[in-house]
Amino acid sequence: EEQLMESGGGLVQPGGSLRLSCAASGFTFSGFWMHWVRQAPGKGPVWVSRINYDGSNTTYADSVKGRFTISRDNAKNTVYLQMNSLRVEDTAIYYCTRDRSTPFDIWGQGTTVTVSS
Amino acid sequence: DIVMTQSPATLSVSPGERATLSCRASQRVNYNLAWFQQKPGQPPRLLIYRTSTRATGIPARFSASGSGTEFTLTISSLQSDDFAVYFCLQYDNLPPWTFGQGTKVEIK
Repeated sequence: EEQLMESGGGLVQPGGSLRLSCAASGFTFSGFWMHWVRQAPGKGPVWVSRINYDGSNTTYADSVKGRFTISRDNAKNTVYLQMNSLRVEDTAIYYCTRDRSTPFDIWGQGTTVTVSS
Repeated sequence: DIVMTQSPATLSVSPGERATLSCRASQRVNYNLAWFQQKPGQPPRLLIYRTSTRATGIPARFSASGSGTEFTLTISSLQSDDFAVYFCLQYDNLPPWTFGQGTKVEIK
């Protein structure tokens, strides 16, 4: 079964850091772009970042540029999101999802990030 | 950035009736438009991509159409499992990938 599983969320103070992980299984991980998408309580999903097949190209939403870094380890079938200088407005469920010819066809269950003092 | 606007915000429908949801893009997105269903406590689920192609396992009562800036998702005969929030996504003019704000389909 093709699956994604996020981990690494938690409660952090403003200005703090977290590293999210997303482990893939059941498919050829290196054949897909990977994305992080977040969703604040009661709001719609918002795209955060994307990484290409081998990690050589990344893009970010303006709201996280310079603070978040996406990376991947194809040997471990895992994509990461390093989040620094966290703000209250970064509070959300963070999902990873994959992208090839069919966009965002599989999602993980998400990991919750809460930024609060 | 392309802004996606969905209407209505809430749609009240009786089981067995048809539901029609709209999504408008602030610029042309060609046919690179997808629809997702989301239930409480779950991630979004891909229903439709490339404007009108059903994803794997999606029942035929879900159909979609559109072009340019105007897109529609139709659920032909609502079943109890269909009451949820629906989002559209454009993946034409990138980055960013942009979602609509959602339409909640509720039981009338």
